[in-house]
Amino acid sequence: EVQLVESGGGLIQPGGSLRLSCAASGFTVSSNYMSWVRQAPGKGLEWVSVISSGGGTYYADSVKGRFTISRDSSKNTLFLQMNSLRAEDTAVYYCSYGLLRDWGQGTLITISS
Amino acid sequence: DVVMTQSPLSLPVTLGQPASISCRSSQSLVHSDGNTYLNWFQQRPGQSPRRLIYKVSDRDSGVPDRFSGSGSATDFTLKISRVEAEDVGVYYCMQGTHWPWTFGQGTRVEIK
Repeated sequence: EVQLVESGGGLIQPGGSLRLSCAASGFTVSSNYMSWVRQAPGKGLEWVSVISSGGGTYYADSVKGRFTISRDSSKNTLFLQMNSLRAEDTAVYYCSYGLLRDWGQGTLITISS
Repeated sequence: DVVMTQSPLSLPVTLGQPASISCRSSQSLVHSDGNTYLNWFQQRPGQSPRRLIYKVSDRDSGVPDRFSGSGSATDFTLKISRVEAEDVGVYYCMQGTHWPWTFGQGTRVEIK
């Protein structure tokens, strides 16, 4: 059974950095696409980033140059390094496996002074 | 970027009646590999999203057969043959053909 558990969320000041983790079980993180998708409070879904099985990475324009997606196969974990955070990055961040087939429960990031 | 436009944005339905959501893309979603990566997601209140349909019409495991997807190129539809109470939530289309992947605005389904 595929399980995804996000962690690392919290309250952080504008301009700060944060690293999100997504611990996976039931599959290997390097076997397929792994993505981050976010949802601002009361808003719709926004795709953020993906890492392919081959290691290729893609980003939404809104986070390009500030966020970095990576994975650690030995820990079977996906990461999202988030730098230069802005108020508009406030959202629940979900990790997802495959072509967004399976989703975690999400972790809330609040950017506020 | 490919813009995904859903309609309607709000859909009141009667239990047991059919419902239909339209999704249009600003460009063709046919990939160079021949597949069309158009997906549908359901998000029930307070829950994570759940994928219902992938590649236009393939239903995910465990998804009731009252959900069906159809369409091609730029025009797609999600149909619920008979709405049940558990179908309340927001439905999103999403394209995975072009980078960046993009979602529609969402359609809120509620019971009349």
